[in-house]
Amino acid sequence: GQNIDQPTEMTATEGAIVQINCTYQTSGFNGLFWYQQHAGEAPTFLSYNVLDGLEEKGRFSSFLSRSKGYSYLLLKELQMKDSASYLCAVIPGYSSASKIIFGSGTRLSIRP
Amino acid sequence: DTAVSQTPKYLVTQMGNDKSIKCEQNLGHDTMYWYKQDSKKFLKIMFSYNNKELIINETVPNRFSPKSPDKAHLNLHINSLELGDSAVYFCASSTRTVETQYFGPGTRLLVL
Repeated sequence: GQNIDQPTEMTATEGAIVQINCTYQTSGFNGLFWYQQHAGEAPTFLSYNVLDGLEEKGRFSSFLSRSKGYSYLLLKELQMKDSASYLCAVIPGYSSASKIIFGSGTRLSIRP
Repeated sequence: DTAVSQTPKYLVTQMGNDKSIKCEQNLGHDTMYWYKQDSKKFLKIMFSYNNKELIINETVPNRFSPKSPDKAHLNLHINSLELGDSAVYFCASSTRTVETQYFGPGTRLLVL
């Protein structure tokens, strides 16, 4: 079956760094996404990894290891507005009928 | 400019009623989706259309019927609403099925 695991909740301090891990077991792999979702709002795209390695985008970086079925999202210089849920999502197949599978999300709370 | 819009934003209705949710995207995307996010915040795909053609149809009760009149619109009709249908329904679109998805603001459905 297809499975995506990420921690349910995390807490971090303003100005600090936090790493949110995601592991997946899927039949095939065609990319991994990270989305941010603030309470009561829609998910918004953060990053996309399809090759191994680190993708950096401002304060946010995302890492992928396909052989380990593992990714992490790294958030630096945390701000209060980073309090949100972070969703890891994988596209397991290659056909036009491939669907994206979302993890249950990690709720990140930032304390002053 | 709103990229992906949904109406209505809130929907409160009685059990047994029939209701529709509309979605429109002005991004020129070929693929549109409906997702259901339950109280535990799990985002699960329901349907996907590519160029008005249904390509993904998850295990969803027959009471749910999507309709895509054109590439820019994907509506969701729900018959005989049940208490368990209460959730947030998100519409999304992407250029192709393996590309970044852009989400609408969500429709909060409450069935009483």
